[in-house]
Amino acid sequence: KQEVTQIPAALSVPEGENLVLNCSFTDSAIYNLQWFRQDPGKGLTSLLLIQSSQREQTSGRLNASLDKSSGRSTLYIAASQPGDSATYLCAVLDYKLSFGAGTTVTVRA
Amino acid sequence: SQTIHQWPATLVQPVGSPLSLECTVEGTSNPNLYWYRQAAGRGLQLLFYSVGIGQISSEVPQNLSASRPQDRQFILSSKKLLLSDSGFYLCAWSVPGLASSTDTQYFGPGTRLTVL
Repeated sequence: KQEVTQIPAALSVPEGENLVLNCSFTDSAIYNLQWFRQDPGKGLTSLLLIQSSQREQTSGRLNASLDKSSGRSTLYIAASQPGDSATYLCAVLDYKLSFGAGTTVTVRA
Repeated sequence: SQTIHQWPATLVQPVGSPLSLECTVEGTSNPNLYWYRQAAGRGLQLLFYSVGIGQISSEVPQNLSASRPQDRQFILSSKKLLLSDSGFYLCAWSVPGLASSTDTQYFGPGTRLTVL
């Protein structure tokens, strides 16, 4: 059974600081890994999708890396802004999507 | 473009009452459809998925059931709600094909269910 863990559970940083969010998974036989953003009481927005053959994906200030052999992914958010405050979820796809519990980020103005 | 709708947005129900949550997708045909639950402080848990009308796979034994009466309609139901059914329910769709599609899943706005 796939287990997905996200550390830390919560993170508070001043505006402008870079964010580093970690995700680990137990079974490396995955098709892809996704990072999602969830605002309070809202659905999920897909941020980045990394196929199993890829090492990283970038979109604007976001960069996600994938080390499938070690079962790890890291989401980097450069120059954080208050609008980045949200919960970030990591999910891996084998025959289904398995989610971590998320990291709740607060960016202080 | 494709859109996904869920209703109601919030729901408060007494223990033992029935439940029906609805999800519809527009702009695509024969999508894969999914129901997830997010309990407080926990990650999303896949409850059901469907690759076609009348085809439902259950991931977790529970007090809930799902149905797909039409191609782009997915319904989550319960005959008698339990306190433990409280949570945030999300519907999602992905491109037609195998449930192990490498494409992303697109999520609806969710339904907040509180069972008292």
